[in-house]
Amino acid sequence: GAGVSQSPSNKVTEKGKDVELRCDPISGHTALYWYRQRLGQGLEFLIYFQGNSAPDKSGLPSDRFSAERTGESVSTLTIQRTQQEDSAVYLCASSTVSGTETQYFGPGTRLLVL
Amino acid sequence: AQKVTQAQTEISVVEKEDVTLDCVYETRDTTYYLFWYKQPPSGELVFLIRRNSFDEQNEISGRYSWNFQKSTSSFNFTITASQVVDSAVYFCALTLLYGGSQGNLIFGKGTKLSVKP
Repeated sequence: GAGVSQSPSNKVTEKGKDVELRCDPISGHTALYWYRQRLGQGLEFLIYFQGNSAPDKSGLPSDRFSAERTGESVSTLTIQRTQQEDSAVYLCASSTVSGTETQYFGPGTRLLVL
Repeated sequence: AQKVTQAQTEISVVEKEDVTLDCVYETRDTTYYLFWYKQPPSGELVFLIRRNSFDEQNEISGRYSWNFQKSTSSFNFTITASQVVDSAVYFCALTLLYGGSQGNLIFGKGTKLSVKP
């Protein structure tokens, strides 16, 4: 079966523009996560969707960041009014039901804000 | 609060050497899970192992082995007879079964391993 896919793989944008990043989880995985990885750093948790429960948004760094997920399928992460400090790799992961199950990661979207 | 520390920022070894990557974690919870991931230069994180806090048995998978010691809150990873293809950044991570961090992985900053021929 297919793994987690993300698009676009690379995105260059100008400061102040909005961007949308997309994640397609592994089929049948009810949990979906977004992380951010700045250059040379570890991964920072952003948001977690589990089935139809309210998402855990505790990791979103500002109100410019938002994410949606339709049912148990695709998720989009939106960054409004991008800033240069938003430049990073945005990684999506999915897992089966429980939040403690193994998370499988996509290839990431490299975002560069000029 | 939970924390994962990987004190070794970079390690360089020569092929066929054994190498151990250290991971120390902090949590007051008694039920948690620990993970190791590999991030090769291509960038995609590859899952290596998942271990729950009640299972302290060490595990071996080919050239890889893991030593989990609750007494020292450590979950170290050893590569035996390293190969050039092992060159990557290795991340240790923690998640809780209950509590505020349930679901999301708390990552260490990673250890960059370079294996030279």
